[in-house]
Amino acid sequence: GAVVSQHPSWVICKSGTSVKIECRSLDFQATTMFWYRQFPKQSLMLMATSNEGSKATYEQGVEKDKFLINHASLTLSTLTVTSAHPEDSSFYICSARGVDSLIYGYTFGSGTRLTVV
Amino acid sequence: GEDVEQSLFLSVREGDSSVINCTYTDSSSTYLYWYKQEPGAGLQLLTYIFSNMDMKQDQRLTVLLNKKDKHLSLRIADTQTGDSAIYFCAEGTSNLYGNKLVFGAGTILRVKS
Repeated sequence: GAVVSQHPSWVICKSGTSVKIECRSLDFQATTMFWYRQFPKQSLMLMATSNEGSKATYEQGVEKDKFLINHASLTLSTLTVTSAHPEDSSFYICSARGVDSLIYGYTFGSGTRLTVV
Repeated sequence: GEDVEQSLFLSVREGDSSVINCTYTDSSSTYLYWYKQEPGAGLQLLTYIFSNMDMKQDQRLTVLLNKKDKHLSLRIADTQTGDSAIYFCAEGTSNLYGNKLVFGAGTILRVKS
């Protein structure tokens, strides 16, 4: 089945530094990737949608300069949290949709726990 | 706008059936989904149902859809301790930018042995 690999699974960084999270589709081509943020005991909040080769579409309230998304190939999308602050600490999850999916075909990565100290 | 609501917590005994309920607002949703999330992990697609279906059964899982009331339920038969997790209901919606999923807040299922 479709597999999405997300790395790192957890990261601790100092306030003011940048962190990059990778999301790879291992056995299919992902025309669209989604980035979510999840707070403890809360649902997933869609941050942005990225299509291969074009600029990401950000949801209302999400700072595009803060959360840089690059979807340079059909198998890789990256989320960079720039100048991270403690309030950016969260669980970030990516999902990917393939071009041949019968339905939306969303496959999720295993998530990245970001802690900013 | 789109909104998905579900009960926040359910506790059952091992071997009993679990029923998790969900309501949604977008009548144009084509697909509705149930996802499972175990602690510290991503989301695993459990099952989905087309909006023109009333019921779908997959082993221990039964999904019921009442499109008129925009109500979706997930029944887990013979619930096991390994079923303890958070269950998310999601509807597939379309906008100018394409398709996306809108999630409910998640239902924490606790199975007591």
